[in-house]
Order: sequence, then structure tokens, then C-alpha cells
Amino acid sequence: GNSVTQMEGPVTLSEEAFLTINCTYTATGYPSLFWYVQYPGEGLQLLLKATKADDKGSNKGFEATYRKETTSFHLEKGSVQVSDSAVYFCALSDRDNYGQNFVFGPGTRLSVLP
Amino acid sequence: NAGVTQTPKFRVLKTGQSMTLLCAQDMNHEYMYWYRQDPGMGLRLIHYSVGEGTTAKGEVPDGYNVSRLKKQNFLLGLESAAPSQTSVYFCASSYDRGARPFYSNQPQHFGDGTRLSIL
Repeated sequence: GNSVTQMEGPVTLSEEAFLTINCTYTATGYPSLFWYVQYPGEGLQLLLKATKADDKGSNKGFEATYRKETTSFHLEKGSVQVSDSAVYFCALSDRDNYGQNFVFGPGTRLSVLP
Repeated sequence: NAGVTQTPKFRVLKTGQSMTLLCAQDMNHEYMYWYRQDPGMGLRLIHYSVGEGTTAKGEVPDGYNVSRLKKQNFLLGLESAAPSQTSVYFCASSYDRGARPFYSNQPQHFGDGTRLSIL
């Protein structure tokens, strides 16, 4: 079955540092890939998405490229801010004859220190 | 733009009590989901629905029931609450592109969560 693997957290960075959160997936079909962000006390919000190979999703300075050859969708940001402290979830969506399937990674907690 | 609305936002129950969590979406989405989120466990799917009048079990369905009588609403019921059901519950919905080959898979949209404590 489909699965998503994320790097273990927590990740602690200083403000303005470079961020990478690794995400790899396994899927039998041609999934769409997503990054969600969850701020303390809130629900998950869609951060960015990519729907086919070599697509780059971007939002709020975050970027991720759909790499089919390495089955990866790593999240990057060039200069993190304290306000980026949150939990980040990588996810995929696939569709088969029975319907739509979503799989989430376990989440990576990011703490950015001033 | 309401999106996905969950009620209530907070609730404290005693063991053995029952309650219903309500999820409403105004995006005309076919799919709706209930998850629970516990520390260190990520999101776990409880039940989901692919359309009005249909429901299916997810990863952790025991102790919960659901109903989807109207397309816009998805109810999660706890018949006899247990302390192990203390958690944050999230509802989500998504659009299903069906079999159309040129439409990409759409993301899930989440509510803000219901924080449930069972004493």
C-alpha cells in the first residue's frame, strides 16, 4: 500500500537558518503530493502541493519539488522565522477504482529560536 | 468562507457518557473524514465517507460510529466514552475528481478540531 516517510523531529533552528524537511513516499499509482502545516492549537492547513513529476509547489517562501525518480518531496525554506514554528505533515493522494486515498506522514515539529 | 466547521470546539465528558461531534462543510465535497490526533501518533483515520448515505471504517474505528445523512454534514458519535478516547478530533473534506483523467487529486480541507477530554 501507499506510505509516506518523514524525517524524525523535532527540528530546532535559529532564525534565518535554512530548512529542509525530508519526505519520501511509496505509491502504486500517480499520486499528488502535499505539505500541510499545523500551528499550535489549530487544524492542518494546506501549505503547498504538486500534482505531477517535476512540479514545484511554493507558498510563503516554502518550496518542494515532486521528484518521481527518487520518490521524494522535500520541503525547503531559505530563511526561517520564529513564526514558522509548527508541525509539518507530508501527504499524498492517490485514486484507484474504489476511490480517493490519502496518506499522511507522522509530522515533523519545527522550532525556530530568535 | 466557512470551509469546514466543527462543533463543539472543547468538551469534557465523564466515562460512559455519550456525545456527537458535528462536522459541516460548505464546499460541496463528496468525501469527508474523521481523524484523531494524539501526541506522537500523528493523524489516525477513524471513519470516512465517500458520499451522502455511505460510510466506511478507517484505521481506528472501534468505539465510534458515524453518519452522513446529508452531503454537507458528517457526524461522529461516541456511545460510551472511555478515557482512551481523550484526543483532538479533526474533520476534513475533499473533492473527488472521479475518473476524469486530467484532473489532479485535490487536497483535504481541515476543520479547527474538537478537543475532547474524558474523565
